[in-house]
Amino acid sequence: NAGVMQNPRHLVRRRGQEARLRCSPMKGHSHVYWYRQLPEEGLKFMVYLQKENIIDESGMPKERFSAEFPKEGPSILRIQQVVRGDSAAYFCASSPQEGEKLFFGSGTQLSVL
Amino acid sequence: SQQGEEDPQALSIQEGENATMNCSYKTSINNLQWYRQNSGRGLVHLILIRSNEREKHSGRLRVTLDTSKKSSSLLITASRAADTASYFCATDTQGGSEKLVFGKGMKLTVNP
Repeated sequence: NAGVMQNPRHLVRRRGQEARLRCSPMKGHSHVYWYRQLPEEGLKFMVYLQKENIIDESGMPKERFSAEFPKEGPSILRIQQVVRGDSAAYFCASSPQEGEKLFFGSGTQLSVL
Repeated sequence: SQQGEEDPQALSIQEGENATMNCSYKTSINNLQWYRQNSGRGLVHLILIRSNEREKHSGRLRVTLDTSKKSSSLLITASRAADTASYFCATDTQGGSEKLVFGKGMKLTVNP
Protein backbone atom coordinates (compact mmCIF):
# COMPACT_ATOMS: atom_id res chain seq x y z
CA ASN A 1 0.00 0.00 0.00
CA ALA A 2 1.85 3.05 -1.25
CA GLY A 3 1.88 6.12 0.93
CA VAL A 4 0.70 9.58 -0.02
CA MET A 5 2.39 10.50 -3.28
CA GLN A 6 3.15 14.08 -4.17
CA ASN A 7 4.69 15.32 -7.36
CA PRO A 8 6.72 17.00 -8.42
CA ARG A 9 9.16 16.93 -5.51
CA HIS A 10 10.63 20.24 -6.62
CA LEU A 11 9.01 22.83 -8.86
CA VAL A 12 10.63 25.98 -10.16
CA ARG A 13 8.49 28.70 -11.69
CA ARG A 14 9.05 32.24 -12.82
CA ARG A 15 6.85 35.03 -11.53
CA GLY A 16 3.52 35.06 -13.37
CA GLN A 17 3.56 31.39 -14.33
CA GLU A 18 1.18 28.74 -13.04
CA ALA A 19 2.08 26.01 -10.58
CA ARG A 20 0.22 22.69 -10.38
CA LEU A 21 0.90 20.44 -7.44
CA ARG A 22 -0.45 16.88 -7.41
CA CYS A 23 -1.33 14.61 -4.56
CA SER A 24 -2.47 11.00 -4.69
CA PRO A 25 -3.85 9.96 -1.30
CA MET A 26 -3.33 6.56 0.20
CA LYS A 27 -5.57 3.85 -1.20
CA GLY A 28 -8.95 3.96 0.49
CA HIS A 29 -8.51 7.49 1.82
CA SER A 30 -11.17 9.96 0.76
CA HIS A 31 -10.08 12.95 2.87
CA VAL A 32 -7.29 15.18 1.57
CA TYR A 33 -5.68 18.17 3.25
CA TRP A 34 -3.20 20.71 1.88
CA TYR A 35 -0.75 22.60 4.07
CA ARG A 36 1.94 25.19 3.38
CA GLN A 37 5.18 25.42 5.34
CA LEU A 38 7.69 28.24 5.32
CA PRO A 39 11.28 27.60 6.52
CA GLU A 40 11.54 27.12 10.29
CA GLU A 41 7.78 27.46 10.69
CA GLY A 42 4.83 25.21 11.32
CA LEU A 43 2.29 24.02 8.82
CA LYS A 44 -0.43 26.43 7.81
CA PHE A 45 -3.74 24.81 6.89
CA MET A 46 -4.96 25.68 3.41
CA VAL A 47 -7.83 23.44 2.35
CA TYR A 48 -9.66 20.23 3.23
CA LEU A 49 -11.37 18.23 0.51
CA GLN A 50 -13.35 15.07 0.11
CA LYS A 51 -14.06 13.47 -3.24
CA GLU A 52 -15.48 16.19 -5.51
CA ASN A 53 -16.19 18.49 -2.54
CA ILE A 54 -14.35 21.31 -0.81
CA ILE A 55 -15.15 20.98 2.90
CA ASP A 56 -13.07 23.80 4.35
CA GLU A 57 -11.04 26.32 2.37
CA SER A 58 -10.64 28.85 5.15
CA GLY A 59 -6.84 28.82 4.79
CA MET A 60 -6.75 29.45 1.06
CA PRO A 61 -5.84 32.91 -0.21
CA LYS A 62 -8.87 34.45 -1.89
CA GLU A 63 -7.14 34.94 -5.22
CA ARG A 64 -4.89 32.84 -7.46
CA PHE A 65 -5.21 29.64 -5.38
CA SER A 66 -7.62 26.80 -6.09
CA ALA A 67 -7.87 23.13 -5.21
CA GLU A 68 -9.81 20.16 -6.45
CA PHE A 69 -10.17 16.48 -5.69
CA PRO A 70 -11.99 14.90 -8.63
CA LYS A 71 -13.82 11.60 -8.59
CA GLU A 72 -10.96 10.07 -10.53
CA GLY A 73 -7.33 11.08 -10.28
CA PRO A 74 -5.19 13.02 -7.84
CA SER A 75 -5.97 16.13 -5.88
CA ILE A 76 -4.56 19.26 -7.50
CA LEU A 77 -3.47 22.47 -5.84
CA ARG A 78 -3.23 25.17 -8.47
CA ILE A 79 -1.51 28.51 -8.03
CA GLN A 80 -1.97 31.01 -10.83
CA GLN A 81 0.37 33.92 -11.56
CA VAL A 82 2.85 32.87 -8.90
CA VAL A 83 4.76 35.48 -6.90
CA ARG A 84 7.96 35.12 -4.89
CA GLY A 85 5.95 34.95 -1.66
CA ASP A 86 4.41 31.67 -2.85
CA SER A 87 7.78 29.97 -2.46
CA ALA A 88 7.29 27.33 0.24
CA ALA A 89 6.94 23.63 0.86
CA TYR A 90 3.43 22.38 0.16
CA PHE A 91 2.37 19.22 1.92
CA CYS A 92 -0.60 17.02 1.22
CA ALA A 93 -2.05 14.63 3.76
CA SER A 94 -4.82 12.07 3.64
CA SER A 95 -6.94 10.15 6.11
CA PRO A 96 -9.57 7.41 5.81
CA GLN A 97 -12.14 9.34 7.81
CA GLU A 98 -12.56 12.42 9.95
CA GLY A 99 -10.90 12.62 13.33
CA GLU A 100 -8.15 10.17 12.50
CA LYS A 101 -4.44 10.58 12.05
CA LEU A 102 -3.09 12.09 8.88
CA PHE A 103 -0.62 10.46 6.54
CA PHE A 104 1.65 13.01 4.89
CA GLY A 105 3.37 13.06 1.55
CA SER A 106 6.98 14.19 1.17
CA GLY A 107 5.89 17.59 -0.05
CA THR A 108 6.51 19.76 -3.10
CA GLN A 109 9.10 22.49 -2.72
CA LEU A 110 7.97 25.40 -4.87
CA SER A 111 10.55 28.00 -5.77
CA VAL A 112 9.48 31.15 -7.57
CA LEU A 113 12.26 33.02 -9.35
CA SER B 1 -4.70 31.03 13.11
CA GLN B 2 -2.41 28.80 15.14
CA GLN B 3 -4.27 26.62 17.61
CA GLY B 4 -1.40 24.86 19.33
CA GLU B 5 1.75 26.43 20.68
CA GLU B 6 4.70 24.23 21.59
CA ASP B 7 7.05 25.08 24.39
CA PRO B 8 10.01 25.28 24.48
CA GLN B 9 10.73 26.22 20.86
CA ALA B 10 14.06 24.44 20.93
CA LEU B 11 15.60 21.84 23.21
CA SER B 12 19.07 20.32 23.19
CA ILE B 13 19.82 17.29 25.35
CA GLN B 14 22.27 14.41 25.65
CA GLU B 15 21.50 10.91 24.48
CA GLY B 16 19.81 8.93 27.20
CA GLU B 17 18.10 11.92 28.79
CA ASN B 18 14.37 12.48 28.71
CA ALA B 19 12.80 15.23 26.60
CA THR B 20 9.54 16.94 27.51
CA MET B 21 7.61 19.16 25.15
CA ASN B 22 4.48 21.07 26.03
CA CYS B 23 1.59 22.21 23.90
CA SER B 24 -1.13 24.70 24.76
CA TYR B 25 -4.25 25.30 22.71
CA LYS B 26 -7.19 27.67 22.80
CA THR B 27 -10.49 26.05 21.88
CA SER B 28 -12.29 22.86 22.85
CA ILE B 29 -11.04 19.86 20.93
CA ASN B 30 -12.04 16.34 19.95
CA ASN B 31 -8.49 15.07 19.88
CA LEU B 32 -4.87 16.21 19.98
CA GLN B 33 -2.11 14.67 17.92
CA TRP B 34 1.67 14.80 17.96
CA TYR B 35 3.77 14.60 14.80
CA ARG B 36 7.46 14.50 14.03
CA GLN B 37 9.26 16.01 11.05
CA ASN B 38 12.79 15.33 9.95
CA SER B 39 14.42 18.13 8.02
CA GLY B 40 12.96 18.51 4.54
CA ARG B 41 10.54 15.63 4.92
CA GLY B 42 6.84 15.14 5.49
CA LEU B 43 5.34 14.77 8.93
CA VAL B 44 5.00 11.40 10.59
CA HIS B 45 2.20 10.73 13.04
CA LEU B 46 3.33 9.73 16.53
CA ILE B 47 0.30 9.52 18.77
CA LEU B 48 -3.33 10.62 19.02
CA ILE B 49 -5.06 11.31 22.32
CA ARG B 50 -8.79 11.92 22.51
CA SER B 51 -10.41 14.57 24.68
CA ASN B 52 -11.76 11.94 27.11
CA GLU B 53 -8.29 10.42 27.64
CA ARG B 54 -5.72 11.72 30.11
CA GLU B 55 -2.62 9.72 29.24
CA LYS B 56 -1.39 7.52 26.45
CA HIS B 57 1.79 5.52 25.87
CA SER B 58 3.50 4.29 22.72
CA GLY B 59 6.95 2.77 23.12
CA ARG B 60 9.23 5.47 24.54
CA LEU B 61 6.53 8.12 24.08
CA ARG B 62 4.14 9.27 26.79
CA VAL B 63 1.48 11.87 26.10
CA THR B 64 -0.74 13.57 28.65
CA LEU B 65 -3.76 15.76 28.06
CA ASP B 66 -5.31 18.22 30.51
CA THR B 67 -8.45 19.63 28.93
CA SER B 68 -9.12 21.92 31.90
CA LYS B 69 -5.80 23.66 31.25
CA LYS B 70 -5.99 23.16 27.49
CA SER B 71 -2.52 21.67 27.44
CA SER B 72 -0.69 18.51 26.50
CA SER B 73 2.81 17.21 27.01
CA LEU B 74 4.94 14.78 25.04
CA LEU B 75 7.65 12.92 26.91
CA ILE B 76 10.35 11.00 25.06
CA THR B 77 12.26 8.75 27.42
CA ALA B 78 15.82 7.51 26.97
CA SER B 79 16.35 9.75 23.96
CA ARG B 80 18.49 8.72 21.01
CA ALA B 81 20.35 10.77 18.41
CA ALA B 82 17.78 9.53 15.88
CA ASP B 83 15.07 11.38 17.84
CA THR B 84 16.54 14.65 16.56
CA ALA B 85 13.70 16.29 14.65
CA SER B 86 10.98 18.92 14.91
CA TYR B 87 7.90 17.97 16.87
CA PHE B 88 4.46 19.44 16.33
CA CYS B 89 1.19 19.23 18.18
CA ALA B 90 -2.02 19.48 16.19
CA THR B 91 -5.61 19.91 17.23
CA ASP B 92 -8.98 19.85 15.61
CA THR B 93 -11.77 22.12 16.80
CA GLN B 94 -14.87 20.70 18.44
CA GLY B 95 -17.77 21.46 16.17
CA GLY B 96 -15.46 22.49 13.38
CA SER B 97 -14.61 20.96 10.03
CA GLU B 98 -12.21 18.32 11.42
CA LYS B 99 -9.22 20.08 9.88
CA LEU B 100 -6.03 19.80 11.95
CA VAL B 101 -4.30 23.01 13.00
CA PHE B 102 -0.61 22.73 13.78
CA GLY B 103 1.60 24.61 16.18
CA LYS B 104 4.88 26.19 15.12
CA GLY B 105 6.83 23.19 16.30
CA MET B 106 9.68 22.47 18.62
CA LYS B 107 13.15 21.56 17.47
CA LEU B 108 14.73 18.75 19.48
CA THR B 109 18.44 18.04 19.20
CA VAL B 110 19.78 14.91 20.86
CA ASN B 111 23.55 14.97 21.10
CA PRO B 112 25.36 11.61 20.96
